[in-house]
Amino acid sequence: AAGVIQSPRHLIKEKRETATLKCYPIPRHDTVYWYQQGPGQDPQFLISFYEKMQSDKGSIPDRFSAQQFSDYHSELNMSSLELGDSALYFCASSSEREGLYEQYFGPGTRLTVT
Amino acid sequence: KQEVTQIPAALSVPEGENLVLNCSFTDSAIYNLQWFRQDPGKGLTSLLLIQSSQREQTSGRLNASLDKSSGRSTLYIAASQPGDSATYLCAVSGANSKLTFGKGITLSVRP
Repeated sequence: AAGVIQSPRHLIKEKRETATLKCYPIPRHDTVYWYQQGPGQDPQFLISFYEKMQSDKGSIPDRFSAQQFSDYHSELNMSSLELGDSALYFCASSSEREGLYEQYFGPGTRLTVT
Repeated sequence: KQEVTQIPAALSVPEGENLVLNCSFTDSAIYNLQWFRQDPGKGLTSLLLIQSSQREQTSGRLNASLDKSSGRSTLYIAASQPGDSATYLCAVSGANSKLTFGKGITLSVRP
């Protein structure tokens, strides 16, 4: 079965640079979530989209922005990167329209800021 | 603010043992509770989802129960195997569907 795809899988950036993370949800899933997992931490919710509209926002820095496109893929844009942004970034998808709320996670993008 | 607690943080058991992992949450107004498995440095694999109207869900050797009124869930693993060694995270969602996670229980099953 198709899973959530994230790219790139690994990313190394320097401080103050920008990064773009991409997420391709499971086909026919309409909702995308972004989570950040710091070293030794539990995943923290950043932002979510339902049918291309932002549906909820968590502890996402103003330096970060995200959107969901017409084909339902999503991108997380991160600017002015800081050392503390180094983390695993997960995307998850679900099908809210079909009442299927189980969230399926992608393999994550490991961002290292040096 | 919803808080999810998983105690203990780590657990080591011999192979073959049946075990129970506990999860508690402070706000009982949840819509769903989901159990995940995470291997070191890897992604999250969904194990079971229990909707708020349900009491339990089963998948193979796994059984998850939910007592919404008391804010508790348990994940029961039967006949544990070394391959079950991983971190198990409990997460709850409310009306907005975002997941709030516990810090996880790192399980080690000794051969």
